[in-house]
Amino acid sequence: QSALTQPPSASGSPGQSVTISCTGTSSDVGGYNYVSWYQQHPGKVPKVMIYEVSKRPSGVPDRFSGSKSGNTASLTVSGLQAEDEADYYCSSYAGSNNLYVIFGGGTKLTVL
Amino acid sequence: EVQLVQSGAEVKKPGESLRISCKGSGYRFTSNWISWVRQMPGKGLEWMGRIDPSDSYTHYSPSFQGHVTISVDKSISTAYLQWSSLEASDTAFYYCARIGYSYVFDPWGQGTLVTVSS
Repeated sequence: QSALTQPPSASGSPGQSVTISCTGTSSDVGGYNYVSWYQQHPGKVPKVMIYEVSKRPSGVPDRFSGSKSGNTASLTVSGLQAEDEADYYCSSYAGSNNLYVIFGGGTKLTVL
Repeated sequence: EVQLVQSGAEVKKPGESLRISCKGSGYRFTSNWISWVRQMPGKGLEWMGRIDPSDSYTHYSPSFQGHVTISVDKSISTAYLQWSSLEASDTAFYYCARIGYSYVFDPWGQGTLVTVSS
């Protein structure tokens, strides 16, 4: 089972919005509302930014939002700030028969 | 505070065995699964497998089945990731993470760097 498909890179200027996609199949992203997004700064531990497609843990700025349509989930970062520059990974539950969880390949977000 | 604390960095030779650990605190350790995630240098996150600390039931990613062993000692709230014969390609950061109800990984351990080199 392949990783979820994310664009390798994305960029935006401070204050702008950027959307990162995460494409899977009906067996993972499309089949369950268990998509999460993680932010990882260089040399740091991944941090959950979104879970269950669109829910934000406490402490995560509301500039971060998530959505899903069919087999594709999306993370939108509004009002880009310099500290948003990081790698972002999506993950999805993929069923208990084979692979419980599958990650995306990651997207490097650059704030210009 | 819910926390996962992992054991320190390791340097090993090919063919050697290794066990790294992940100790949970601040919550009921048997209430949540623990997962292990690999991150090779400069690469993305790969789910390796998970264990239910309440009954030690494990499930492995097909990519890692047979190459690693995940275990737990619930009496000391600690999960383990073990290799019987390391390869150079096992060089990576390894993270443990608590799995929540909706398969969200939170929190993560601080990571353990495993370097395998002759």
